[in-house]
Amino acid sequence: EVQLVESGGGLVQPGGSLRLSCAASGFTFSSYWMSWVRQAPGKGLEWVANIKQDGSEKYYVDSVKGRFTISRDNAKNSLYLQMNSLRAEDTAVYYCTRAASNSWYAWGQGTLVTVSS
Amino acid sequence: QSALTQPASVSGSPGQSITISCTGTSSDVGSYNAVSWYQQYPGKAPKLMIYEVNKRPSGASNRFSGSKSGNTASLTISGLQAEDEADYYCCSYAGSGQYVFGIGTKVTVL
Repeated sequence: EVQLVESGGGLVQPGGSLRLSCAASGFTFSSYWMSWVRQAPGKGLEWVANIKQDGSEKYYVDSVKGRFTISRDNAKNSLYLQMNSLRAEDTAVYYCTRAASNSWYAWGQGTLVTVSS
Repeated sequence: QSALTQPASVSGSPGQSITISCTGTSSDVGSYNAVSWYQQYPGKAPKLMIYEVNKRPSGASNRFSGSKSGNTASLTISGLQAEDEADYYCCSYAGSGQYVFGIGTKVTVL
C-alpha cells in the first residue's frame, strides 16, 4: 500500500524557517517525480514544487521561488521542503504527493504550517 | 500563472448528470492534454478522479468522465449520488514545469 506521511509542520513567526519531511513507503520512491501541494485554510489547492526522480530538475510556483527548496533522499525514501522567509500567506496544509502522468494519484494526510506572530 | 476558472458551485438531484467547467488559456489547458480532476471532502486529502483529460485511474468511479475543447476542460458526473457531494478541482500543466489549479467547485446533491 502506498503511504506518504508528512511531518514538520507547526507555528512559526513571519520571517522564520521550517523544514517539512515526507516519508514514503509501498512503492519504488526513486522511480517517481514527487511534489508538494498546499491548501490555505478555506481556500483551494496550489501546486508548490516538483522534483525529478534523481533530483536533477526542480520547479517552483513563482510565489515561493528563492524562499523554498525541494529536495529528496532516495536512500531514505524521503521528500523534503525547506521553507525560509516565511510569510503569513504561506499558512496552509502542505501535502506530499506522488506525481505521474501530469497528475497526483497518491497524497499524504497533510501537515499544517501556520505563520503568525 | 492565474488560477483556472471554475464555477463556484454546481448542484443536481440524485440520478442526474452535472458538468463542471474549467477554463484556462492557450498557455495551459489549450496547449496540453494534461488536465486532471480531484475530489476533496472537508478535512481530507484530495483524490484523483481523472488524468490526462479523460483517463480514469483505478479506484475512480466510472460515473466520472472528462473532456476538453479548446481552452476549456470539463468533468461530468453521471448518475449523481449523495456521496458525490464534495469540492472538485481541475489542474493543468502550464509549461516549464509549472502547474496551475482551478479555484474549485462545490458540488451539492439536492
